[in-house]
Amino acid sequence: QSALTQPPSASGSPGQSVTISCTGTSSDVGGYNYVSWYQQHPGKAPKLIIYEVTKRPSGVPDRFSGSKSGNTASLTVSGLQAEDEADYYCSSYAGNSNVLFGGGTKLTVL
Amino acid sequence: EGQLVESGGGLVQPGGSLRLSCAASGFTFSDYYMSWVRQAPGKGLECVANIKEDGSEKFYVDSVKGRFAISRDNAHNSVYLQMNSLRTEDTAVYYCGRGRSALDYWGQGSLVTVSS
Repeated sequence: QSALTQPPSASGSPGQSVTISCTGTSSDVGGYNYVSWYQQHPGKAPKLIIYEVTKRPSGVPDRFSGSKSGNTASLTVSGLQAEDEADYYCSSYAGNSNVLFGGGTKLTVL
Repeated sequence: EGQLVESGGGLVQPGGSLRLSCAASGFTFSDYYMSWVRQAPGKGLECVANIKEDGSEKFYVDSVKGRFAISRDNAHNSVYLQMNSLRTEDTAVYYCGRGRSALDYWGQGSLVTVSS
């Protein structure tokens, strides 16, 4: 039950795009199309922004997009805005109701 | 709009017990998996346990197996986490969430501190 691997930090200037990776194995990310991404601001509960690899819940801006290739999923934030500065976590279903999270990536808007 | 409200956190000594509750409203509770996710201070998220809609299937992360028990009461729209034999490493904010692989509603979190 190892955590998924995310870079600890990422950054970009307002208006730019940034991509955060999430690497797992064929038993989790690569084996299921159940990758989710969460945004968490300091002191707040996480918020679901991407589910089933590419889908966005109602109300989430289309600046947020998800993809997957093999055992690595990615979150892309386009047109960076100041309010996008937050921690981002990926998660993946890993079978038998097991859900793994990544270690989190702190996104800084320069 | 769904809402989840946790309660029951607090300070407990190592080896002690706590029971967390999560009250749901605004959606048909019995239609959804429910999960407990924790976040240690300054650390990432970890799925601790989840439970099927009818309570017939339960999952636990290895580190809490045999110590924690998840349950639900669909008549009262609530999910619970009974935590026994608590360790200092269980110190965290505990969130309940709606769903299993994608948690679309989260509670505000309940802080559990295990310390002597």
